[in-house]
Amino acid sequence: GNSVTQMEGPVTLSEEAFLTINCTYTATGYPSLFWYVQYPGEGLQLLLKATKADDKGSNKGFEATYRKETTSFHLEKGSVQVSDSAVYFCALTTNAGNMLTFGGGTRLMVKP
Amino acid sequence: ETGVTQTPRHLVMGMTNKKSLKCEQHLGHNAMYWYKQSAKKPLELMFVYNFKEQTENNSVPSRFSPECPNSSHLFLHLHTLQPEDSALYLCASSHPGLGPRGDTGELFFGEGSRLTVL
Repeated sequence: GNSVTQMEGPVTLSEEAFLTINCTYTATGYPSLFWYVQYPGEGLQLLLKATKADDKGSNKGFEATYRKETTSFHLEKGSVQVSDSAVYFCALTTNAGNMLTFGGGTRLMVKP
Repeated sequence: ETGVTQTPRHLVMGMTNKKSLKCEQHLGHNAMYWYKQSAKKPLELMFVYNFKEQTENNSVPSRFSPECPNSSHLFLHLHTLQPEDSALYLCASSHPGLGPRGDTGELFFGEGSRLTVL
C-alpha cells in the first residue's frame, strides 16, 4: 500500500532561517507528490506538487524535488517568515481518482 | 476563501444527539470528500463521492452517514457518536482525475467543522 512519513514537529525556527521538512514515501505504482499547508483555523490548501521523477515543485519561496531513487520529497525554503507558521502535510496519489495519502503533518513555528 | 464552505464551524453534541455537517462548493467539481483530522493522527479519508455516487467508504462506522444529493452539496449525518469521534471534519472537492498523469491531486478544502462529543 501507500504511505507517507514526515518528520515530527514542532519545528521552531527564527525568522530568515533555512527550512527543511523531510518527507519519504512508499507507493505501489508511480506516485504524484504534493505538499499541502494548513494555516491556523483554516483548511488545507495545495502548496506545490511534482508528478514525475526529478521534477521540482515551487511556490511562495518553497521548493521540493521528486527524488525517485531515495523515495523522498523534502520541503525547503531559504528564508522563513512568521507568516509561514502553519502545519505542512506531504501527500501522494497513485491513481486518477485523487485518493490522496497524507503524512502526519509537521507543525512549523517561526519566531520574530 | 477556497470556494468550499462548511457549516457549522463548531458543534458540540451529546452521545445520543443527531446532527448533520454540511459542505457546499461552487467550483464546478464533481468529486467530494470527507476527511477526519484528529490530534496527533494522520488525516483520515472517510468517504468519496464522484458524480454523486459513493466510490469510497474507508471502513467508517455506521454512526457516520454521508449524503450527496448533488455535485455541489455533501452532508455528514451524525448519530450516537462517541467522545473519541471528537475531531475536525474537513470537506474537500476536486475534479475527478483525468488520467494517471492528468490533473490529479489538487483538493480544495473547506475550513472544517470542529466537533466535540460529550
